[in-house]
Amino acid sequence: GESVGLHLPTLSVQEGDNSIINCAYSNSASDYFIWYKQESGKGPQFIIDIRSNMDKRQGQRVTVLLNKTVKHLSLQIAATQPGDSAVYFCAERTSYDKVIFGPGTSLSVIP
Amino acid sequence: NAGVTQTPKFQVLKTGQSMTLQCAQDMNHNSMYWYRQDPGMGLRLIYYSASEGTTDKGEVPNGYNVSRLNKREFSLRLESAAPSQTSVYFCATRKGQPQHFGDGTRLSIL
Repeated sequence: GESVGLHLPTLSVQEGDNSIINCAYSNSASDYFIWYKQESGKGPQFIIDIRSNMDKRQGQRVTVLLNKTVKHLSLQIAATQPGDSAVYFCAERTSYDKVIFGPGTSLSVIP
Repeated sequence: NAGVTQTPKFQVLKTGQSMTLQCAQDMNHNSMYWYRQDPGMGLRLIYYSASEGTTDKGEVPNGYNVSRLNKREFSLRLESAAPSQTSVYFCATRKGQPQHFGDGTRLSIL
Protein backbone atom coordinates (compact mmCIF):
# COMPACT_ATOMS: atom_id res chain seq x y z
CA GLY A 1 0.00 0.00 0.00
CA GLU A 2 0.93 3.63 0.02
CA SER A 3 3.42 4.60 2.70
CA VAL A 4 5.88 7.21 3.72
CA GLY A 5 8.63 6.04 6.01
CA LEU A 6 11.64 7.40 7.82
CA HIS A 7 14.98 5.61 8.09
CA LEU A 8 15.89 6.97 11.54
CA PRO A 9 13.28 7.28 14.23
CA THR A 10 15.63 9.29 16.49
CA LEU A 11 18.54 11.57 15.74
CA SER A 12 20.90 13.31 18.14
CA VAL A 13 23.19 16.06 16.89
CA GLN A 14 25.60 18.49 18.48
CA GLU A 15 24.58 22.12 18.52
CA GLY A 16 26.08 23.87 15.53
CA ASP A 17 26.34 20.73 13.42
CA ASN A 18 24.19 20.06 10.37
CA SER A 19 21.27 17.65 10.63
CA ILE A 20 19.96 15.39 7.92
CA ILE A 21 16.59 13.70 8.25
CA ASN A 22 15.66 11.15 5.62
CA CYS A 23 12.36 9.91 4.30
CA ALA A 24 11.36 7.23 1.81
CA TYR A 25 8.11 7.32 -0.10
CA SER A 26 6.47 4.63 -2.15
CA ASN A 27 3.99 6.38 -4.44
CA SER A 28 5.67 7.45 -7.66
CA ALA A 29 2.59 9.49 -8.55
CA SER A 30 3.00 11.83 -5.57
CA ASP A 31 3.51 15.35 -6.87
CA TYR A 32 4.14 17.40 -3.77
CA PHE A 33 6.10 16.83 -0.58
CA ILE A 34 6.12 18.68 2.71
CA TRP A 35 8.22 18.74 5.84
CA TYR A 36 6.59 19.59 9.15
CA LYS A 37 8.06 20.28 12.58
CA GLN A 38 6.12 19.33 15.66
CA GLU A 39 7.07 20.61 19.09
CA SER A 40 5.78 19.00 22.24
CA GLY A 41 2.13 19.80 22.84
CA LYS A 42 1.73 21.59 19.53
CA GLY A 43 0.37 20.82 16.11
CA PRO A 44 2.66 20.28 13.11
CA GLN A 45 4.13 23.43 11.65
CA PHE A 46 5.06 23.81 8.01
CA ILE A 47 8.81 24.06 7.36
CA ILE A 48 9.37 23.68 3.65
CA ASP A 49 7.85 22.00 0.64
CA ILE A 50 8.93 20.84 -2.79
CA ARG A 51 7.10 19.90 -5.95
CA SER A 52 7.95 16.81 -7.92
CA ASN A 53 9.38 18.84 -10.80
CA MET A 54 12.17 20.10 -8.54
CA ASP A 55 15.23 18.40 -7.03
CA LYS A 56 16.16 20.92 -4.38
CA ARG A 57 14.63 23.81 -2.54
CA GLN A 58 16.23 26.04 0.06
CA GLY A 59 14.76 28.01 2.89
CA GLN A 60 16.24 29.75 5.87
CA ARG A 61 18.74 27.21 7.30
CA VAL A 62 16.74 24.35 5.74
CA THR A 63 17.09 22.54 2.45
CA VAL A 64 14.90 19.81 1.05
CA LEU A 65 16.27 17.38 -1.52
CA LEU A 66 14.10 15.15 -3.65
CA ASN A 67 15.41 12.10 -5.49
CA LYS A 68 12.57 10.69 -7.54
CA THR A 69 14.70 7.87 -8.95
CA VAL A 70 14.96 6.21 -5.56
CA LYS A 71 11.87 7.85 -4.04
CA HIS A 72 13.80 9.59 -1.33
CA LEU A 73 13.32 12.88 0.42
CA SER A 74 15.65 14.56 2.89
CA LEU A 75 15.60 17.60 5.12
CA GLN A 76 18.88 19.30 5.91
CA ILE A 77 19.09 21.75 8.79
CA ALA A 78 22.21 23.90 8.86
CA ALA A 79 23.86 24.93 12.13
CA THR A 80 21.35 23.07 14.27
CA GLN A 81 20.14 24.96 17.32
CA PRO A 82 18.46 23.81 20.55
CA GLY A 83 15.21 25.28 19.25
CA ASP A 84 15.32 22.77 16.42
CA SER A 85 14.67 19.91 18.84
CA ALA A 86 11.32 18.48 17.80
CA VAL A 87 9.72 15.68 15.81
CA TYR A 88 9.96 16.10 12.06
CA PHE A 89 7.45 14.59 9.66
CA CYS A 90 7.63 14.20 5.94
CA ALA A 91 4.39 14.01 4.02
CA GLU A 92 3.47 13.30 0.43
CA ARG A 93 0.43 14.35 -1.53
CA THR A 94 -0.87 11.37 -3.44
CA SER A 95 -3.98 13.09 -4.79
CA TYR A 96 -5.57 16.52 -4.54
CA ASP A 97 -6.96 16.06 -1.06
CA LYS A 98 -4.92 13.14 0.26
CA VAL A 99 -1.69 13.66 2.16
CA ILE A 100 0.12 10.73 3.78
CA PHE A 101 2.41 11.36 6.73
CA GLY A 102 5.45 9.41 7.75
CA PRO A 103 5.93 8.19 11.34
CA GLY A 104 8.27 11.04 12.27
CA THR A 105 11.89 11.46 13.41
CA SER A 106 12.72 12.87 16.79
CA LEU A 107 15.62 15.33 16.59
CA SER A 108 17.49 16.04 19.79
CA VAL A 109 20.09 18.82 19.84
CA ILE A 110 22.91 18.42 22.36
CA PRO A 111 24.14 21.77 23.71
CA ASN B 1 -5.57 35.98 14.08
CA ALA B 2 -6.10 32.69 15.88
CA GLY B 3 -5.71 30.40 12.84
CA VAL B 4 -7.10 26.96 13.73
CA THR B 5 -8.73 26.62 17.15
CA GLN B 6 -9.58 23.25 18.66
CA THR B 7 -11.74 22.68 21.72
CA PRO B 8 -11.41 21.14 24.19
CA LYS B 9 -7.65 20.76 24.64
CA PHE B 10 -8.00 17.76 26.95
CA GLN B 11 -10.81 15.31 27.65
CA VAL B 12 -11.23 12.06 29.53
CA LEU B 13 -14.18 9.84 28.67
CA LYS B 14 -15.51 6.52 29.83
CA THR B 15 -16.07 3.74 27.33
CA GLY B 16 -19.42 4.19 25.61
CA GLN B 17 -19.72 7.92 26.21
CA SER B 18 -20.19 10.30 23.30
CA MET B 19 -18.16 13.40 22.56
CA THR B 20 -17.87 16.11 19.93
CA LEU B 21 -14.54 17.72 19.15
CA GLN B 22 -14.79 21.22 17.74
CA CYS B 23 -12.59 22.93 15.18
CA ALA B 24 -12.92 26.51 13.97
CA GLN B 25 -10.76 28.47 11.54
CA ASP B 26 -10.57 32.13 10.71
CA MET B 27 -8.43 31.84 7.58
CA ASN B 28 -11.29 31.48 5.10
CA HIS B 29 -9.92 28.14 3.92
CA ASN B 30 -12.14 25.81 1.94
CA SER B 31 -10.75 22.44 2.98
CA MET B 32 -10.74 21.08 6.53
CA TYR B 33 -9.40 17.81 7.92
CA TRP B 34 -9.44 15.65 11.02
CA TYR B 35 -6.41 13.50 11.85
CA ARG B 36 -5.46 11.30 14.76
CA GLN B 37 -1.93 10.86 16.02
CA ASP B 38 -0.88 7.84 18.03
CA PRO B 39 2.48 7.36 19.77
CA GLY B 40 5.30 6.62 17.35
CA MET B 41 3.07 7.10 14.36
CA GLY B 42 2.40 9.82 11.88
CA LEU B 43 -0.94 11.48 11.43
CA ARG B 44 -3.74 9.40 9.96
CA LEU B 45 -6.65 11.02 8.18
CA ILE B 46 -10.09 10.33 9.66
CA TYR B 47 -12.36 12.55 7.56
CA TYR B 48 -12.03 15.62 5.43
CA SER B 49 -14.24 18.27 3.90
CA ALA B 50 -13.22 19.84 0.61
CA SER B 51 -15.83 22.54 0.94
CA GLU B 52 -18.86 23.55 2.94
CA GLY B 53 -21.52 20.87 2.63
CA THR B 54 -19.23 18.03 1.61
CA THR B 55 -17.41 15.40 3.66
CA ASP B 56 -15.38 12.33 2.72
CA LYS B 57 -13.82 9.41 4.54
CA GLY B 58 -10.10 9.18 5.07
CA GLU B 59 -7.94 6.23 6.13
CA VAL B 60 -9.53 5.50 9.51
CA PRO B 61 -13.17 6.71 9.59
CA ASN B 62 -14.74 3.87 11.57
CA GLY B 63 -16.25 5.00 14.87
CA TYR B 64 -16.39 8.65 13.87
CA ASN B 65 -18.79 11.07 12.26
CA VAL B 66 -18.22 14.62 11.09
CA SER B 67 -20.23 17.74 10.37
CA ARG B 68 -19.12 20.70 8.28
CA LEU B 69 -21.37 23.21 9.99
CA ASN B 70 -20.30 26.14 7.85
CA LYS B 71 -17.10 27.31 6.18
CA ARG B 72 -15.46 28.04 9.52
CA GLU B 73 -16.38 24.99 11.57
CA PHE B 74 -15.77 21.25 11.23
CA SER B 75 -16.69 18.96 14.11
CA LEU B 76 -15.73 15.35 14.86
CA ARG B 77 -18.08 13.15 16.85
CA LEU B 78 -17.46 9.92 18.70
CA GLU B 79 -20.86 8.31 19.23
CA SER B 80 -19.69 5.52 21.54
CA ALA B 81 -16.10 6.01 22.61
CA ALA B 82 -13.76 3.02 22.76
CA PRO B 83 -10.30 2.75 24.39
CA SER B 84 -8.80 2.33 20.90
CA GLN B 85 -9.83 5.91 20.19
CA THR B 86 -7.48 7.25 22.83
CA SER B 87 -5.31 9.57 20.78
CA VAL B 88 -4.40 13.14 19.99
CA TYR B 89 -6.75 14.61 17.42
CA PHE B 90 -5.67 17.37 15.07
CA CYS B 91 -7.75 19.58 12.86
CA ALA B 92 -6.17 21.11 9.78
CA THR B 93 -7.25 23.53 7.08
CA ARG B 94 -6.01 24.25 3.61
CA LYS B 95 -6.39 26.67 0.75
CA GLY B 96 -3.84 25.69 -1.81
CA GLN B 97 -0.87 24.22 0.08
CA PRO B 98 0.20 23.39 2.73
CA GLN B 99 -2.14 22.44 5.55
CA HIS B 100 -2.33 24.49 8.73
CA PHE B 101 -2.86 22.63 11.99
CA GLY B 102 -4.44 23.37 15.33
CA ASP B 103 -2.72 22.39 18.57
CA GLY B 104 -4.77 19.25 19.07
CA THR B 105 -7.25 17.68 21.47
CA ARG B 106 -5.81 15.04 23.79
CA LEU B 107 -8.50 12.44 24.34
CA SER B 108 -8.29 9.54 26.78
CA ILE B 109 -10.93 6.86 26.94
CA LEU B 110 -10.97 4.67 30.02
